[in-house]
Amino acid sequence: DAGVIQSPRHEVTEMGQEVTLRCKPISGHNSLFWYRQTMMRGLELLIYFNNNVPIDDSGMPEDRFSAKMPNASFSTLKIQPSEPRDSAVYFCASSDTGELFFGEGSRLTVL
Amino acid sequence: ILNVEQSPQSLHVQEGDSTNFTCSFPSSNFYALHWYRWETAKSPEALFVMTLNGDEKKKGRISATLNTKEGYSYLYIKGSQPEDSATYLCAPSSGGYQKVTFGTGTKLQVIP
Repeated sequence: DAGVIQSPRHEVTEMGQEVTLRCKPISGHNSLFWYRQTMMRGLELLIYFNNNVPIDDSGMPEDRFSAKMPNASFSTLKIQPSEPRDSAVYFCASSDTGELFFGEGSRLTVL
Repeated sequence: ILNVEQSPQSLHVQEGDSTNFTCSFPSSNFYALHWYRWETAKSPEALFVMTLNGDEKKKGRISATLNTKEGYSYLYIKGSQPEDSATYLCAPSSGGYQKVTFGTGTKLQVIP
């Protein structure tokens, strides 16, 4: 079975550019999560959706970050404009019964 | 935001030793407690999800207990093997049950 699929796996961009990270959850899962991994803070929850509706976005660091889930099989996390401090690994995870299933992550480097 | 504390931050054990880690969390508004195993260059994988006070779960040589009244969980590894080397993350969820907040983890290194 396909797991959670994230793209791109690696992204290198310059400060000020727009970055879009994509996630396809496991079919049938009704919850989707975006996490950011940094050395300082570990895995931070940015936002999560339930049945495509954003439930809690209190972890989104600032207005430069936005996330959407237009349908049950697709979500995006957008950073505009990007800054060097946004460099991190961004994980998407999905769930149906509580246990989270993680994608392989998108490593973002902002120069 | 749940204040999740895990200890120790890291430890080294000899192959064959048994070990345990602690996760503490606020007991108010508790819904569930997750444990995940995170190997280097991979993604976190779920070990256990526990909800009831007194829950005990076991998977092979790894087991976990939960005390929701005092807000702690223990993870035990019996007879550690080098392949157990990983970071073990504790993650309580609260309120709407899906808000899963991770601790910073315990990094285990098993020395052959």
